[in-house]
Amino acid sequence: EAGVAQSPRYKIIEKRQSVAFWCNPISGHATLYWYQQILGQGPKLLIQFQNNGVVDDSQLPKDRFSAERLKGVDSTLKIQPAKLEDSAVYLCASSLGLAGGIDEQYFGPGTRLTVT
Amino acid sequence: AQSVTQLGSHVSVSEGALVLLRCNYSSSVPPYLFWYVQYPNQGLQLLLKYTTGATLVKGINGFEAEFKKSETSFHLTKPSAHMSDAAEYFCAVTPRSGSQGNLIFGKGTKLSVKP
Repeated sequence: EAGVAQSPRYKIIEKRQSVAFWCNPISGHATLYWYQQILGQGPKLLIQFQNNGVVDDSQLPKDRFSAERLKGVDSTLKIQPAKLEDSAVYLCASSLGLAGGIDEQYFGPGTRLTVT
Repeated sequence: AQSVTQLGSHVSVSEGALVLLRCNYSSSVPPYLFWYVQYPNQGLQLLLKYTTGATLVKGINGFEAEFKKSETSFHLTKPSAHMSDAAEYFCAVTPRSGSQGNLIFGKGTKLSVKP
């Protein structure tokens, strides 16, 4: 079974530039998550999708970050314009979307963003 | 709001020694509890989880963790460390009711294993 795919794996941009990350979840997984992991900290949820609808985006800085999952499968996270403090690893995860009980999340390898 | 505290950002043990990584949560109702491992340049991999039932949970790679409600703890242990265990370990929680999507992570503990 293929895991969660992310690209690119690494990206270096200058501040005020734009960047986009792509995620392809495990086939059949209805729920997709984007996390931000700043160096020295644990991952923090940015946004959660159930199919193509947003479940939780309370921690997404909406003035500069946007995300979409138009067809309920793969997803794109965009930052425009980037700031120095956006330097982090962006992790995508997916889960079956089970109601009740544990809905185990499976993580991709992440995209490491450096903003200079 | 729930939070997770991992004591020690860096733990170093000798190969063959006991591994003990500490995790405490703050929640009036015990949440679901998880331990994840992250190897360099890789995503997070689930080691083990506690949902209900037996409080001693066994996971992959010889790790286990014990849920202690009275201490609000979920410490991770392994009797004998291997060089391959060197990685960063994250404790995480998610509420038992409502939205379970928001995994709340601790800051992580980096484990080094000396030969």
